Amino acid sequence: NAGVTQTPKFQVLKTGQSMTLQCAQDMNHNSMYWYRQDPGMGLRLIYYSASEGTTDKGEVPNGYNVSRLNKREFSLRLESAAPSQTSVYFCASSEDGGARQPQHFGDGTRLSIL
Amino acid sequence: AQSVSQHNHHVILSEAASLELGCNYSYGGTVNLFWYVQYPGQHLQLLLKYFSGDPLVKGIKGFEAEFIKSKFSFNLRKPSVQWSDTAEYFCAAKVTGGFKTIFGAGTRLFVKA
Repeated sequence: NAGVTQTPKFQVLKTGQSMTLQCAQDMNHNSMYWYRQDPGMGLRLIYYSASEGTTDKGEVPNGYNVSRLNKREFSLRLESAAPSQTSVYFCASSEDGGARQPQHFGDGTRLSIL
Repeated sequence: AQSVSQHNHHVILSEAASLELGCNYSYGGTVNLFWYVQYPGQHLQLLLKYFSGDPLVKGIKGFEAEFIKSKFSFNLRKPSVQWSDTAEYFCAAKVTGGFKTIFGAGTRLFVKA
């Protein structure tokens, strides 16, 4: 009953370093999402993938790239990390049937950029 | 721009008190509305959702929310809170048929035993 699995759980980077956050779901869901959570700002959508092979920008895509290589996995990449990207990152998925809102969330990745 | 506003950032209640958390949205067109909850140390989970029909929606654990279109509101209510309701609550919205779910800033609820 893994659900949505994110790795790593914690990471500290230096400004300018690159990093890929991994996300995998075992529920055969079509749609997957990446959010960041910052104090006082709730969750903000970075990118989403409606289905395998497609990705679209959310509210705050600048500084990020994503890859949906297969149905299970949706990764988020920071090419050149900046302190403003210090946040908690959540991956989520949703089942088919037109729901199209995040239903199952991972544990989150706490990322600090120094 | 589309947005979701939650009125209170922190709420403290005693057990058995009634709860109402405010949520307003700013969207054009038909919207779907949600409340999510994040208990300490747990995943975010969906509490309830409104797509269409009866504007009074019932969710898990005795929560309900009322969609009032004229007020652009979707307030969350519970008649009698328990200590176990201590959590952070997020209101969210999206355009019907869309994928971009927008979240409010969240309300931290602390229930005193």
